[in-house]
Amino acid sequence: GAVVSQHPSRVICKSGTSVKIECRSLDFQATTMFWYRQFPKQSLMLMATSNEGSKATYEQGVEKDKFLINHASLTLSTLTVTSAHPEDSSFYICSASDGDQRPQHFGDGTRLSIL
Amino acid sequence: AQSVTQPDIHITVSEGASLELRCNYSYGATPYLFWYVQSPGQGLQLLLKYFSGDTLVQGIKGFEAEFKRSQSSFNLRKPSVHWSDAAEYFCAVVPTGNQFYFGTGTSLTVIP
Repeated sequence: GAVVSQHPSRVICKSGTSVKIECRSLDFQATTMFWYRQFPKQSLMLMATSNEGSKATYEQGVEKDKFLINHASLTLSTLTVTSAHPEDSSFYICSASDGDQRPQHFGDGTRLSIL
Repeated sequence: AQSVTQPDIHITVSEGASLELRCNYSYGATPYLFWYVQSPGQGLQLLLKYFSGDTLVQGIKGFEAEFKRSQSSFNLRKPSVHWSDAAEYFCAVVPTGNQFYFGTGTSLTVIP
């Protein structure tokens, strides 16, 4: 079945560092990708929706300049957390849709820890 | 306000016992409905989904869910729980387009 690969699975870095997370659709063309954030013991909260070749649409309260999203191809979207701080530590999950079906293909998530 | 509700934050069942996890939604039209399972530190695994048709949906790992329009519910069930079923379970709703709305999750503990 369809697979979404997310990399890295875990990253630990110092405060002030920028971190890039990749989300790849391995066997289908993802016209739309979604980025979620999940705090411990909480549900997933949608951060932004990205369509290939266009600017991402951010949810209210999500800083565009803080969380840079690029969806340059039909198989790759990246989330860059710029100048990360400890409060950005979280579990980030992407999902991808081929446009025809609902986005039921999720990556395995990235655990981001900022020291 | 539109929402997805999972009333039970935490459920504990004995291995071999039956399980039902509740999910209610408050969207006007019938949305697309999903159940996902998440093990600690892992991503989401799709258990089953409902788009249309038969309101009783069979999923993986012996799970099933029933869509009840009159109750705006999509409860997840399993006749006999295994220890490996211990995880966090999320109900998700897609009212229109592709945007998911997740419930707050139900944590399942299975005792031997």
